[in-house]
Amino acid sequence: GAGVSQSPRYKVAKRGQDVALRCDPISGHVSLFWYQQALGQGPEFLTYFQNEAQLDKSGLPSDRFFAERPEGSVSTLKIQRTQQEDSAVYLCASSAKGSLTGELFFGEGSRLTVL
Amino acid sequence: RKEVEQDPGPFNVPEGATVAFNCTYSNSASQSFFWYRQDCRKEPKLLMSVYSSGNEDGRFTAQLNRASQYISLLIRDSKLSDSATYLCAVTGGLLSFGAGTTVTVRA
Repeated sequence: GAGVSQSPRYKVAKRGQDVALRCDPISGHVSLFWYQQALGQGPEFLTYFQNEAQLDKSGLPSDRFFAERPEGSVSTLKIQRTQQEDSAVYLCASSAKGSLTGELFFGEGSRLTVL
Repeated sequence: RKEVEQDPGPFNVPEGATVAFNCTYSNSASQSFFWYRQDCRKEPKLLMSVYSSGNEDGRFTAQLNRASQYISLLIRDSKLSDSATYLCAVTGGLLSFGAGTTVTVRA
């Protein structure tokens, strides 16, 4: 497809379970971002890749969160031992530009509910 | 203090009205500014970039005030389809978003 694709769209996890969220960016886009959006809030930055390099992971809330983009295209955000406060929509975005000044194209998000 | 702050609204306006709202940012070194639109339970989509001299795109006008560190968005002749949450986004190293301003246009 032409846009950013995320899967699964919806995920319900029991507290303590591990989850993996996948992002397929627009083909050829250099930059890939993960954001977390809680209900009624704006997207909060989690981490940023330029090609396969993770240039910034300062927004990851704890060491339970891990992201990778091994071949510079598809990315996976993994959350270990999920907690209720992890419930949110996880948005992936990609950008054609290597810098942070380009337009971001967002996927529809993965809505995670932790029970 | 959050890096980017917005009046959450909601702004409830009749069709045809003009509505305007601001977004303040704390990092004076911020370089780029954007308005994104987010419909309910959908992803954010870029509405427009904000240039130093201000810019217009149809019924939408964006302004930047560096001295007071805010950007604004004005919507003229509001349409029902303008109902959405408007997120401002600012780069100063990272792209940071505000929590959004909700606009509801009523018939």
